[in-house]
Amino acid sequence: SQTIHQWPATLVQPVGSPLSLECTVEGTSNPNLYWYRQAAGRGLQLLFYSVGIGQISSEVPQNLSASRPQDRQFILSSKKLLLSDSGFYLCAWTRQGVPYEQYFGPGTRLTVT
Amino acid sequence: AQSVTQLDSHVSVSEGTPVLLRCNYSSSYSPSLFWYVQHPNKGLQLLLKYTSAATLVKGINGFEAEFKKSETSFHLTKPSAHMSDAAEYFCVVSPHNAGNMLTFGGGTRLMVKP
Repeated sequence: SQTIHQWPATLVQPVGSPLSLECTVEGTSNPNLYWYRQAAGRGLQLLFYSVGIGQISSEVPQNLSASRPQDRQFILSSKKLLLSDSGFYLCAWTRQGVPYEQYFGPGTRLTVT
Repeated sequence: AQSVTQLDSHVSVSEGTPVLLRCNYSSSYSPSLFWYVQHPNKGLQLLLKYTSAATLVKGINGFEAEFKKSETSFHLTKPSAHMSDAAEYFCVVSPHNAGNMLTFGGGTRLMVKP
């Protein structure tokens, strides 16, 4: 069976510090991968998606970047965090050929102070 | 273009009574529709999906939803609420030809009173 992991589960970082959140998927190959952000009391906002190694598409201009160094690894980064980067970050994956059914990780709660 | 509107941001029911969470969508193409549930500080779990087969879709935990094209609706129902159903619910649309993109509704928080 497939599983998706995210770490860390929670993170408190000062403004201006760097960020690295990691997502890995097990039990499948060549998945599509997604990063979402969920601000308090709001819906999900798609940040990035990737259809393959080194292939990243950005949905919104922002202070964040994403990378996919390996087939089942997706990393969300920032060089300098802003207060507005606080939120709940969710990674998701889909199978190739079934692109519309997404499976979500447990999420990372980021608080920027 | 596509969009999803969840008509209620909060719904409160008593345990054992029916649940109705409303969702309307718009899509330029024949859509797939989904309901996801999110418990506090957790990821999203797929409840059910409609992908152009039967219009009445049954999901996990006793939930079901009916796709009504004429009303552009995909409301989520459950005959009898349980305390464990308290969570945030998201209606999601994905046009069949839009590749991998999902559009999420704003969410409905379901509260279940004992």
